[in-house]
Amino acid sequence: QQPVQSPQAVILREGEDAVINCSSSKALYSVHWYRQKHGEAPVFLMILLKGGEQKGHEKISASFNEKKQQSSLYLTASQLSYSGTYFCGTADNAGNMLTFGGGTRLMVKP
Amino acid sequence: DSGVTQTPKHLITATGQRVTLRCSPRSGDLSVYWYQQSLDQGLQFLIQYYNGEERAKGNILERFSAQQFPDLHSELNLSSLELGDSALYFCASSGGTGGRAQYFGPGTRLLVL
Repeated sequence: QQPVQSPQAVILREGEDAVINCSSSKALYSVHWYRQKHGEAPVFLMILLKGGEQKGHEKISASFNEKKQQSSLYLTASQLSYSGTYFCGTADNAGNMLTFGGGTRLMVKP
Repeated sequence: DSGVTQTPKHLITATGQRVTLRCSPRSGDLSVYWYQQSLDQGLQFLIQYYNGEERAKGNILERFSAQQFPDLHSELNLSSLELGDSALYFCASSGGTGGRAQYFGPGTRLLVL
């Protein structure tokens, strides 16, 4: 079953913060976050494993609440380059087959 | 550049035809995944191969098949094509299974007329 992402879309000004949520009805082994720009391939941002630590990448970080089967992606001091569609992909076992959420469209304006 | 290559970049064909999409994984990666992305369905997992063997199957139609060769490149075969098969097809690779990052290729854009 597909994880649910919220919000579906968000518009920010440069320097503002955003949070994107990903929620699953199944117990999760891992959560993967990707950013995709229009017409391009999804680009890997980070992976969170069951029992693992919160990950960070520059000004983008994420958390994974195993009990609630939820993950959140935190974008701080957003830059124009952060614009794109963010997808979470969830795996319910170690096989790594990912089920992707519907995506969150993020637009950062000057 | 993720290191994953896919050919061709674009493909235009007619209904009822058969096409083959090719993917070369990153050097050293043993797992290959195929995904389909369409406007109304989002990113859908099709199939995974690990070191030449099928590992997992997702929403892959019976008209579609794939294989991974000894040199680890993979091919996705789509036959009896329908208009609804028009989509972006991505290949991704990872170093293994068990919580590894997947790196996506640039995709093949298929248009069925």
